[in-house]
Parts: sequence; C-alpha cells; structure tokens
Amino acid sequence: DAGVIQSPRHEVTEMGQEVTLRCKPISGHNSLFWYRQTMMRGLELLIYFNNNVPIDDSGMPEDRFSAKMPNASFSTLKIQPSEPRDSAVYFCASSFGLRVQGYSYEQYFGPGTRLTVT
Amino acid sequence: KQEVTQIPAALSVPEGENLVLNCSFTDSAIYNLQWFRQDPGKGLTSLLLIQSSQREQTSGRLNASLDKSSGRSTLYIAASQPGDSATYLCAVRMFSGGYNKLIFGAGTRLAVHP
Repeated sequence: DAGVIQSPRHEVTEMGQEVTLRCKPISGHNSLFWYRQTMMRGLELLIYFNNNVPIDDSGMPEDRFSAKMPNASFSTLKIQPSEPRDSAVYFCASSFGLRVQGYSYEQYFGPGTRLTVT
Repeated sequence: KQEVTQIPAALSVPEGENLVLNCSFTDSAIYNLQWFRQDPGKGLTSLLLIQSSQREQTSGRLNASLDKSSGRSTLYIAASQPGDSATYLCAVRMFSGGYNKLIFGAGTRLAVHP
C-alpha cells in the first residue's frame, strides 16, 4: 500500500488567496483526520471524518477553514482567504474506525503539506 | 479536558547513553497510548503503541511503559545512537461518543552527538 498520500507537499501563496490541500487515505480505512502542526501550538486535531461524515470539527480555527470528504478515497482541506498565521504543516491521517474489542485504531500519517502564506 | 505534557522539551546527549523520555496525561480514561518519532520536515512514524490494559511494550532498543492510574508513560531508549536524533511525540487515544481521537504532547527534541 502506498500509505496516506498528501498533495501538494509544499505550498507558498499570498495572503488572501484560496488554498486547497488534498489527502488520499489508505484503502479500507474509514476514519480520516486533519491535523495542523506549528512550533507554538504543536500538533492539533482540526477535524475528523468517519465513513465520510464529519464527526468533530471543533478544532477548525475559523470559518475560513472548511473540509470535505466526498468519498472514501479523497478529502480536501480548504482555507479561504488564507492569512500568514495559517502558515504551518498540515497532516492527514487515516485509520480503521470500527469499535472492536482490543483493536488499536492506529493512525497512519501522511508526509504533510508545508504551507507558507506571505 | 485531556492535557498531555512531555518532559524534557529538549535533550542533548552523547552517543551510547541510555535515555528516558517522560509523558504525563491528566485524564486516565485513555484507550491506549502511542509514541511517535518525527524527523525534521517529515511526517510521524509510529514507534510503540500500548493498550490501556498493558504495562509495557518493547521494540528493539525501545521500551515504553504505561502507568494509567498515575497518568504517566516513559519511553526508554537504550544505547542511543546519532540516528535516534529526532522529535519524539507522545499521544493518548480517547473515545468520545463512540469515536476515537489522539491528543498529542508537544514533544521532546532529542539530539544524540557522536
């Protein structure tokens, strides 16, 4: 399996522009997570989906952020309009989410997208 | 609200030393705990996962312990090598409303010099 795939790997954009980050989870996984990592705040969970449905978006910082999962193999995180304080590394992770006794629910992380907003 | 703390924030040691990285959490109702490694500019690599019913897990030179009641975990690295230099993250898995999520500590940045 290719693992979790994220694109682009690097994105540099100007303030006010729309940014779209993409993620392809591991085939067969039904939970998908978007994280943001900064020096100041560490790794924060933004939103997660189970069976393509958003379960908890309490970590999404503002209305400028939105995420979708139109099918089991694709998700997007969009920032519109972008601001310099959105500069961070954004990670996507996936796991199998069915509650089974003793299951680990281990998440597998993508390589991340490094976003720089100037 | 669950809070995960890692001590120390940074550590620099000579090659060959045995190390202990600490992780503490405020809510003991965890499902499991996971240690990750992150190299600069890279994603996260899972090192060890300990279920809440377990006390420790071992993989090669790594040993992770868990004391759920006291809210503590340690990652022990034996005979450290320069290749161990990375940031080590601790994360606890919680269940809420039937769904699980990971809550991360800020990490310990480790430098092992020859």
